[in-house]
Amino acid sequence: AQTVTQSQPEMSVQEAETVTLSCTYDTSESDYYLFWYKQPPSRQMILVIRQEAYKQQNATENRFSVNFQKAAKSFSLKISDSQLGDAAMYFCAYSDNYGQNFVFGPGTRLSVLP
Amino acid sequence: EAGVAQSPRYKIIEKRQSVAFWCNPISGHATLYWYQQILGQGPKLLIQFQNNGVVDDSQLPKDRFSAERLKGVDSTLKIQPAKLEDSAVYLCASSLDLSTEAFFGQGTRLTVV
Repeated sequence: AQTVTQSQPEMSVQEAETVTLSCTYDTSESDYYLFWYKQPPSRQMILVIRQEAYKQQNATENRFSVNFQKAAKSFSLKISDSQLGDAAMYFCAYSDNYGQNFVFGPGTRLSVLP
Repeated sequence: EAGVAQSPRYKIIEKRQSVAFWCNPISGHATLYWYQQILGQGPKLLIQFQNNGVVDDSQLPKDRFSAERLKGVDSTLKIQPAKLEDSAVYLCASSLDLSTEAFFGQGTRLTVV
């Protein structure tokens, strides 16, 4: 079965600085999707970024970028120029190539310090 | 565009009682998901529908949980009878199709006492 691990339960970053959240996963598949979701206190889960495993190029979305290391099964999220609104729980997630077997990691709580 | 609607937002019941949650996905979205999120943990997929068919219900405790999406649009998730460990937030999400971006509702917080 696929598993997703986030080894940092909590992280903090100074406003305007850069922070990296770690994620590792385990799968025997060669094609799959990886995601980072943000969950603010309002509880509504929001997609931050998505990566298809067959693409070697790392996905980017404005201040958010990933470092996808397929051989190491690592998928870290970098947030540049951190803003107060970035404070939330961040979940790494995996799904297979058919959009099934969706698995979330345990999450990392990010605090942004003014 | 309206988002994923869930009701109720909060529910408190006694153990052994029954409860039902409702979800209305974004219009046109074929795939619908129900997740259970226990406090301090990541969401766990309970069931995934494609239109009105079940794609994955491998983690649904079928002795007490049931879900349906009869017309391939809105969906209900039922727990009967509830246990203390069912206390969690129940999240509904929908996507245009399998492997496309999923949009989440605000969830229903269930407390079983």
